[in-house]
Amino acid sequence: ILNVEQSPQSLHVQEGDSTNFTCSFPSSNFYALHWYRWETAKSPEALFVMTLNGDEKKKGRISATLNTKEGYSYLYIKGSQPEDSATYLCASGTYKYIFGTGTRLKVLA
Amino acid sequence: KAGVTQTPRYLIKTRGQQVTLSCSPISGHRSVSWYQQTPGQGLQFLFEYFSETQRNKGNFPGRFSGRQFSNSRSEMNVSTLELGDSALYLCASSFGDTSTDTQYFGPGTRLTVL
Repeated sequence: ILNVEQSPQSLHVQEGDSTNFTCSFPSSNFYALHWYRWETAKSPEALFVMTLNGDEKKKGRISATLNTKEGYSYLYIKGSQPEDSATYLCASGTYKYIFGTGTRLKVLA
Repeated sequence: KAGVTQTPRYLIKTRGQQVTLSCSPISGHRSVSWYQQTPGQGLQFLFEYFSETQRNKGNFPGRFSGRQFSNSRSEMNVSTLELGDSALYLCASSFGDTSTDTQYFGPGTRLTVL
């Protein structure tokens, strides 16, 4: 993997459903993996920064895991709410941030 | 603490013109990075400035340039505008310049080139 890739590109879930998406990044020369949430008409907001293999971070109903050996991170949202609707971006890079194209999440009430 | 501010928020220019965008980082932050976002593309890294020095540069033509002042405020300049330069330009500041530093984004400048 030469770039940071995210999947799926978009998804719709019902309120109350749990969901997860994937960020894949180059595993060589890994330094850090960042997750951001970008709501419409707002600025991207930092969620997590992860550096160690096996790292797990949690913020309310949102959590993330990191596997640096295989080059992926999962973001989980438990009990999705309409206010979770946003684009979720991950970023990594040997020196500075290379962003994925994001996963657009729409939570239906 | 005030967040990252960008001016102007919206801009309309014509092909061939040049444009300067401004970014004021969070107080105490010394790193400012610039990104371009176009439909269907992720955030494309333009360049990063740290303590008035360009530390890293993305794959953009030389028409894109920037600078940083002693108060950490940064400007980005695009000369000889092309239609494809229409995009949302975001700047982000961080305290340091390492890969683990969290970036704080401004609201962006929406540039339209006609």
